[in-house]
Amino acid sequence: AQKVTQAQTEISVVEKEDVTLDCVYETRDTTYYLFWYKQPPSGELVFLIRRNSFDEQNEISGRYSWNFQKSTSSFNFTITASQVVDSAVYFCALSERRTASKLTFGTGTRLQVTL
Amino acid sequence: EPEVTQTPSHQVTQMGQEVILRCVPISNHLYFYWYRQILGQKVEFLVSFYNNEISEKSEIFDDQFSVERPDGSNFTLKIRSTKLEDSAMYFCASGGGGADGTEAFFGQGTRLTVV
Repeated sequence: AQKVTQAQTEISVVEKEDVTLDCVYETRDTTYYLFWYKQPPSGELVFLIRRNSFDEQNEISGRYSWNFQKSTSSFNFTITASQVVDSAVYFCALSERRTASKLTFGTGTRLQVTL
Repeated sequence: EPEVTQTPSHQVTQMGQEVILRCVPISNHLYFYWYRQILGQKVEFLVSFYNNEISEKSEIFDDQFSVERPDGSNFTLKIRSTKLEDSAMYFCASGGGGADGTEAFFGQGTRLTVV
């Protein structure tokens, strides 16, 4: 069975601080995908990244970066120089690498960025 | 940019009534999903749909639920006799940009309130 754990329920930082959101996953599959979604207060789910299990290169997109480590089954997300607009709930998710596979979500981390 | 559209954004219904939640997936996508999120909790998979049939469903998706793609563009979720515990945000998602359909782009959600 697949499982995603986001141990940090809530994080509060001051603007311009860097913040890392942790994600640990469990799966018996050797091939799988990992995702991060952002859920702002308006409620929609905004896709941030998809990473397949064969690609352990870290990825950077502007102020966002992701650190995938298969050895520790982790896929952590760092926001550099956080801004108030980053305040949201962030979900990590996992899917098997097969057709129409469902996403298994973690419980989310609520990030509050204050001035 | 193409997006998944859900209607209505908010629906209030009386317990025992039938509701139909509507979704227009991204036009060239082949895989369709419904997820739900009870307030303050994680996003949970309900059902996936491909080639005009259900590919997978969770234990939540019991006989009270059904899905349909009636006209080649809409994708609907019907709840036959709503219960108080069906109150949640329901998300439609579609995928198909990737070769295996594991990408999932979510709609903005329908908040269902059962009173």
